Amino acid sequence: EDQVTQSPEALRLQEGESSSLNCSYTVSGLRGLFWYRQDPGKGPEFLFTLYSAGEEKEKERLKATLTKKESFLHITAPKPEDSATYLCAVQAGFTGGSYIPTFGRGTSLIVHP
Amino acid sequence: DAEITQSPRHKITETGRQVTLACHQTWNHNNMFWYRQDLGHGLRLIHYSYGVQDTNKGEVSDGYSVSRSNTEDLPLTLESAASSQTSVYFCASRGTNTGELFFGEGSRLTVL
Repeated sequence: EDQVTQSPEALRLQEGESSSLNCSYTVSGLRGLFWYRQDPGKGPEFLFTLYSAGEEKEKERLKATLTKKESFLHITAPKPEDSATYLCAVQAGFTGGSYIPTFGRGTSLIVHP
Repeated sequence: DAEITQSPRHKITETGRQVTLACHQTWNHNNMFWYRQDLGHGLRLIHYSYGVQDTNKGEVSDGYSVSRSNTEDLPLTLESAASSQTSVYFCASRGTNTGELFFGEGSRLTVL
């Protein structure tokens, strides 16, 4: 069974204090690892897709990296508007014609001004 | 702009009643999904569909059903609502078999 574990569950940072969120996974035949951002009362919003170990993607203050066992979401000099829950999802295992994403429980990030 | 919409956004119902949550997308995506989100569990898959007349059960499908009569819509029905089905429900669609999901804003359901 595919497993996706995110850590920490919650993270509080001061504005400008860089840190990393972790997503560890155990799947066979990874077909994509996804990062989403979710604001309170909203649906998740897509950030990045990573497909192979060594791959990196960047967007503003966010950088996602991937190894064979885990992915990191690095947040450089965060601002209060980066406060949100960050979700990781993996796709593996072809099921009935497609791939089913499995989500981790998320990391709740609060950035204090 | 293309979008995915859910309705109602908030609903309160009583135990035993039938409830239908609507999901409509205008991207012409074949893949559609229903998830529920609860504290401590994250997003859990209820049902999914790869196209018209295709529906499949997810990990928490008991007590739920879906039907896909056209590309745009995937309504989720709770045949007899239970308090354990109090949750936030998200519909999502995907344009390819391996691409990212596009989520609706969610429907918050309370079963009393």
